[in-house]
Amino acid sequence: AQTVTQSQPEMSVQEAETVTLSCTYDTSENNYYLFWYKQPPSRQMILVIRQEAYKQQNATENRFSVNFQKAAKSFSLKISDSQLGDTAMYFCAFMKLNSGAGSYQLTFGKGTKLSVIP
Amino acid sequence: DAGITQSPRHKVTETGTPVTLRCHQTENHRYMYWYRQDPGHGLRLIHYSYGVKDTDKGEVSDGYSVSRSKTEDFLLTLESATSSQTSVYFCATKGTGNTEAFFGQGTRLTVV
Repeated sequence: AQTVTQSQPEMSVQEAETVTLSCTYDTSENNYYLFWYKQPPSRQMILVIRQEAYKQQNATENRFSVNFQKAAKSFSLKISDSQLGDTAMYFCAFMKLNSGAGSYQLTFGKGTKLSVIP
Repeated sequence: DAGITQSPRHKVTETGTPVTLRCHQTENHRYMYWYRQDPGHGLRLIHYSYGVKDTDKGEVSDGYSVSRSKTEDFLLTLESATSSQTSVYFCATKGTGNTEAFFGQGTRLTVV
């Protein structure tokens, strides 16, 4: 079974500054995806960014980027130029892609509550 | 936005009563999931479906059952609700050939 660990229950950052959220995972699979989801107070789950395990290049989406270290099983999220609207819970998630038991299930970490301070 | 509707959005029920939550999707997605979200636990998978009448258990399936008789609907049933099942429940769907999972708005269930 896969496990996802987010070691920072809460973080804060000043508006316009940069913050990095940590995530580690444990798997014996080679073919998988990693995701960061955002959950604002509205409770809606929003995909922020995804990373394919077989791609060495780190994914970026505007102000959001990841540092994917496959050997270390680490997948951190960097938010640049933090905005008040970035205040939310952030969840790291893992999806196994091979066929068989557990394929295509999303396994989530416990989340990091990020507060952006004006 | 993906067309995923959860009903009801809020429910208060008494211990020992049966409860059914419904997830309806208009995306023709093959995969559907039920998660529960509790403070300090993130989202935990209850059951998932990989096709009509094809379902499997997740990590917290005790006390829950599911049914999927057609592509668009995935029902989660609490046979006899307990206070430990007070939670926010999320449905998610995923299509074949893509990796993004889309989530419903969640159902807040309170068992008193």
